[in-house]
Amino acid sequence: SYELTQTPSVSVSPGQTARITCSGGALATQSASWYQQKPGQAPVVVIYKDNERPSGIPERFSGSISGTTVTLTISGVQAEDEADYYCHSGDSTGSSVTFGGGTKLTV
Amino acid sequence: QVTLRESGPALVRPTQTLRLTCTFSGFSLSISGMCVSWIRQPPGKALEWLARIDWDDDVYYKTSLRRRISISKDTAKNQVVLTMTNMDPADTATYYCARTWLISAGGSGAFDIWGQGAKVTVSS
Repeated sequence: SYELTQTPSVSVSPGQTARITCSGGALATQSASWYQQKPGQAPVVVIYKDNERPSGIPERFSGSISGTTVTLTISGVQAEDEADYYCHSGDSTGSSVTFGGGTKLTV
Repeated sequence: QVTLRESGPALVRPTQTLRLTCTFSGFSLSISGMCVSWIRQPPGKALEWLARIDWDDDVYYKTSLRRRISISKDTAKNQVVLTMTNMDPADTATYYCARTWLISAGGSGAFDIWGQGAKVTVSS
């Protein structure tokens, strides 16, 4: 089965840009999505299909892909962005669904 | 408004079978492209996808758990049920159900709506 690797932690100051990466072979053929999870809450999707942003998600959240690495970029980080972030790879079938190990963003 | 809500026992004894129900509203699992998955998260650990059931009755399972889990749906009741046999303390986790609508997700399989989760403890 595929694995997705994330850096365990990222720390930035308010107003800076945070970049969280996720690497794995599955990303060569499957789309990535990113989820924000605050303590005690369910995850919320912030990016899907590599770089699409759902309605209601601030524009400071963006996604990109290069080869088998996807990156979640948060521009102008705010204190409220402090959370755990998980990448996920999947496609239209459910035959290979994977989550990364998560990245703790500290602001 | 689309919502999902998990329900089931908070405490399960080792070797017992866990049965969790996801009751949803605001959409139908009979609509083309609709899917519901179960995902769990042990305390302090990462998310782990378990299973998915689709509008056309296709089902998918995490390979390593295939022999222990089963997913089913009752379209009329707007419910999806996860059954997990031979529970172990290592299965202690918060269990989430989440929706995927392949059409709106561009075929990416992304989970757009999540339930609040059901905390399950496995202990004697």
